[in-house]
Amino acid sequence: SYELTQPPSVSVSPGQTASITCSGDKLGDKYVCWYQQKPGQSPVLVIYQDMKRPSGIPERLSGSNSGNTATLTISGTQAMDEADYYCQAWDSSTVVFGGGTKLTVL
Amino acid sequence: QVQLQQWGAGLLKPSETLSLTCAVYGGSFSDYYWSWIRQSPGKGLEWIGEINHSGSTNYSPSLKSRVTISVDTSKNQFSLNLSSVTAADTAVYYCARGQGGTVTSYYYYYMDVWGKGTTVTVSS
Repeated sequence: SYELTQPPSVSVSPGQTASITCSGDKLGDKYVCWYQQKPGQSPVLVIYQDMKRPSGIPERLSGSNSGNTATLTISGTQAMDEADYYCQAWDSSTVVFGGGTKLTVL
Repeated sequence: QVQLQQWGAGLLKPSETLSLTCAVYGGSFSDYYWSWIRQSPGKGLEWIGEINHSGSTNYSPSLKSRVTISVDTSKNQFSLNLSSVTAADTAVYYCARGQGGTVTSYYYYYMDVWGKGTTVTVSS
């Protein structure tokens, strides 16, 4: 079965840029989306089709996908960005999630 | 604005069947896929399966033998049944709206509307 690998944790200082990676075999040949989940809340879609933002998602969140790695980039990170982030792709008629990355804003 | 409202039994005994229902309010029901996802305590997201308005389903290979997802288009609802539950099935269960399609030969799928989640505990 297809696997997506994320780092368990990423730390960033306020105002700096955070990058969260998601790796999978030939991931660049698939579309990736990203979800943000804060404690006790449902996940929220923040990036779809690799780099598109749903309405209401700040421009400082951006996505890319090439080769074997997709990346969620948060520019000018704010305290409100502290959350768990999950990448997701579609493979063999199933949804595949990455294991999740906890973003800590120090 | 589309809203998903979900409900079902929150406490089960081992070997019982988990049953949850998700109602869709607002928006089209037939234009989307409808998914179930779960999250065990302190763990990541796990996709369970999906259904469309015509009843076509896809299931996670790891749960396929125990899962049934059904749809009631007259009520804009879809349901999850998970049989023979164990403590490992203890989780928050979410329903979600899925959008899928093909762009430049690649298939995309994402879930843009989620329910609030239902906590299901399996304990004797």
